[in-house]
Amino acid sequence: GAGVSQSPSNKVTEKGKDVELRCDPISGHTALYWYRQSLGQGLEFLIYFQGNSAPDKSGLPSDRFSAERTGGSVSTLTIQRTQQEDSAVYLCASSFGGGQEQFFGPGTRLTVL
Amino acid sequence: AQSVTQLGSHVSVSEGALVLLRCNYSSSVPPYLFWYVQYPNQGLQLLLKYTSAATLVKGINGFEAEFKKSETSFHLTKPSAHMSDAAEYFCAVSDPGANSKLTFGKGITLSVRP
Repeated sequence: GAGVSQSPSNKVTEKGKDVELRCDPISGHTALYWYRQSLGQGLEFLIYFQGNSAPDKSGLPSDRFSAERTGGSVSTLTIQRTQQEDSAVYLCASSFGGGQEQFFGPGTRLTVL
Repeated sequence: AQSVTQLGSHVSVSEGALVLLRCNYSSSVPPYLFWYVQYPNQGLQLLLKYTSAATLVKGINGFEAEFKKSETSFHLTKPSAHMSDAAEYFCAVSDPGANSKLTFGKGITLSVRP
């Protein structure tokens, strides 16, 4: 079956613009995670969804970051008023549930000019 | 709080030589431990995981890791390196609970010399 997909694969934006990053998890996976990979900070957890709820948002770096998940499937990560320090690869992962193996998507490379 | 330490950022070995990538963790509860590999411009692929069963874990591509609670370590080994093993390797830890978010080490880049 299909793996985790993310779109776009690359996004270049200007400072101050809003961006939306999309994640399509593996069908049937109830848990969904967003991570960020940057040169300075390595791989960091952002947010965890179980179904459509987000019981752990502790990794979101500021209130400019938000995410939602609909239908227990697709998730969108939104970054408002982008800053240059938001430049990173944003990775999405899904699993059958908490404690299960996480399958990662290829990531979205975000560049803020 | 959990943390993972991967000492050094780069390891270089000759083809056919032993690969040893070190990982030490800190966790307040018995953890789950993982090794992921990332090839250039690709996502993360799970190599192997420890989830409180056998302490010696075998993974894909000939890799294995041993969980040593007394040393809080989970080092990754492969007896004989191949050129195709050149990649970045990440050790990660999670709680075994419902929210098993991963806490990653900084990663180690493995180079393999012909």
